[in-house]
Amino acid sequence: GENVEQHPSTLSVQEGDSAVIKCTYSDSASNYFPWYKQELGKRPQLIIDIRSNVGEKKDQRIAVTLNKTAKHFSLHITETQPEDSAVYFCAAISGGSYIPTFGRGTSLIVHP
Amino acid sequence: EAGVAQSPRYKIIEKRQSVAFWCNPISGHATLYWYQQILGQGPKLLIQFQNNGVVDDSQLPKDRFSAERLKGVDSTLKIQPAKLEDSAVYLCASSFWTGGTGELFFGEGSRLTVL
Repeated sequence: GENVEQHPSTLSVQEGDSAVIKCTYSDSASNYFPWYKQELGKRPQLIIDIRSNVGEKKDQRIAVTLNKTAKHFSLHITETQPEDSAVYFCAAISGGSYIPTFGRGTSLIVHP
Repeated sequence: EAGVAQSPRYKIIEKRQSVAFWCNPISGHATLYWYQQILGQGPKLLIQFQNNGVVDDSQLPKDRFSAERLKGVDSTLKIQPAKLEDSAVYLCASSFWTGGTGELFFGEGSRLTVL
């Protein structure tokens, strides 16, 4: 089955800095890569996603890049704000099995 | 539109007791998932339904966990007997897509504490 590795487990930045979270996947059939944000005590919510036919996608301060050859994808947050503090999960979904596999999560802490 | 509903939100039981969680997905969503989220870890898929059929339950501990989705709508997840390591948040999610790709909508979760 699919295996998703996510790094780092914890990321501490100053407000205004950029943050990068990286994930790798194992199944070459995976073709959909969403990112979820989970604030403390709340449900995970989708913040951005990318499909395998696209190399990069941006949405305001958030961007995701995908390298299919290397089987890795990354979340980039620019001009971080304290409200960006949360746990971020990457996931990979195989076009064959359609089963979402999540990474272990990255706890992002943005210091004011 | 209404989101994914789960109940109960919190449950405390003794080991070896049983517990059941209920999930009502977003109307029209064919795919329903149960995830186990242990503190500090990512969600781990327990079972995935497509309408009322099982797509994957390879990580469901079938000696103690069971799940069903009657009529392709609501779902229940049962644990019997519970172990200490079952302490976790049980997240239900639903998705509209029936084989392509799409957003998972999560419920608030059911937090289980096994003493």
